[in-house]
Amino acid sequence: GENVGLHLPTLSVQEGDNSIINCAYSNSASDYFIWYKQESGKGPQFIIDIRSNMDKRQGQRVTVLLNKTVKHLSLQIAATQPGDSAVYFCAEMSGSARQLTFGSGTQLTVLP
Amino acid sequence: DGGITQSPKYLFRKEGQNVTLSCEQNLNHDAMYWYRQDPGQGLRLIYYSQIVNDFQKGDIAEGYSVSREKKESFPLTVTSAQKNPTAFYLCASSLLADPSYNEQFFGPGTRLTVL
Repeated sequence: GENVGLHLPTLSVQEGDNSIINCAYSNSASDYFIWYKQESGKGPQFIIDIRSNMDKRQGQRVTVLLNKTVKHLSLQIAATQPGDSAVYFCAEMSGSARQLTFGSGTQLTVLP
Repeated sequence: DGGITQSPKYLFRKEGQNVTLSCEQNLNHDAMYWYRQDPGQGLRLIYYSQIVNDFQKGDIAEGYSVSREKKESFPLTVTSAQKNPTAFYLCASSLLADPSYNEQFFGPGTRLTVL
């Protein structure tokens, strides 16, 4: 399953399928990007990060892709599990203050 | 265990009252942050502090105040001037280095409801 842009905030996928969550970031000067997972009523949890000098980074079951030309970031989750159901936020960092700017999030629902 | 703690988890206050939310970290992080999250939305930065006794306004500082008297503590006061204070409040902290590519670690949040 895949969503495109921030206009589709909900993504439903079958258990075992791969998920792709997309994010369009705003600042071409951003040099560091993070994906967070937030379960209901809890604080965001770090998933994976990537610096602007890279275009791909892999973790355990997750991959982040960065396309600076079109200011696009994606999170791929392999073999999606019920425990992956949550809201996923991308965040970009820029400037000497190292502030994070968050996207509006995508709700991922894993169907049995 | 190292981490960030926020208290209380749920807070109820009457309209017109000031309320202070606690945030403590034992990660020896330099920077601390306060965010507000409304239902179905992302996080918006209220205040942040990179060093003790210094802090800066974020995008939505009006109606809020903070202090940073100790490195490990960054309390947030929601004043009566905040027009719509009911929200989920998240505290975060991070290391600062030059250059800094360090993620922010989040606490469990405080849900404030103003009656």
